[in-house]
Amino acid sequence: KAGVTQTPRYLIKTRGQQVTLSCSPISGHRSVSWYQQTPGQGLQFLFEYFSETQRNKGNFPGRFSGRQFSNSRSEMNVSTLELGDSALYLCASRAPPQETQYFGPGTRLLVL
Amino acid sequence: AQKITQTQPGMFVQEKEAVTLDCTYDTSDQSYGLFWYKQPSSGEMIFLIYQGSYDEQNATEGRYSLNFQKARKSANLVISASQLGDSAMYFCAMRDLQGGSEKLVFGKGTKLTVNP
Repeated sequence: KAGVTQTPRYLIKTRGQQVTLSCSPISGHRSVSWYQQTPGQGLQFLFEYFSETQRNKGNFPGRFSGRQFSNSRSEMNVSTLELGDSALYLCASRAPPQETQYFGPGTRLLVL
Repeated sequence: AQKITQTQPGMFVQEKEAVTLDCTYDTSDQSYGLFWYKQPSSGEMIFLIYQGSYDEQNATEGRYSLNFQKARKSANLVISASQLGDSAMYFCAMRDLQGGSEKLVFGKGTKLTVNP
């Protein structure tokens, strides 16, 4: 099976812009989670989607949003970018009830 | 809330030797799951091994084994016969079911360097 794919892999934006990141899960995996990784805060949970529904959201402002499509692909959006949004954004998929989350290669976002 | 502690920011090991990466956890749940992931400099998080709280035996996957000591709340990763390609960040993580979904709570990681 193909692994989790994320596009784009690298992104440079300026403050105030918005960005959309995409994640395609492993075939058959209906749960998609997003994580933000920064040197200061480490790995933090953003949100989880299952069957097109957001099941949980981490402690992030409303500028961070996401959605999941009927084919389980997911997108996350960050509006009004701030310098502190520079991070590696990782997507992970899971096939409930299995517990293991499998991660994609990540998208490195740099906000200037 | 679940908490993962990795006390070793960095570890060094000689090629072909074994190394143990420490992980302690805190939870009030009776049923829980523990994971180890490897993150090379490329950024991708690679799943290595899983241990369920009710598993009676320590998990093993090839050169990776998990030394699970429930009473001490520790889940150390043991890598046998280290290879140069094992140089990477290693994260211990725990499943957190609060909020109605499954999320992973990660430790701060250990940077492993394998020397030739």
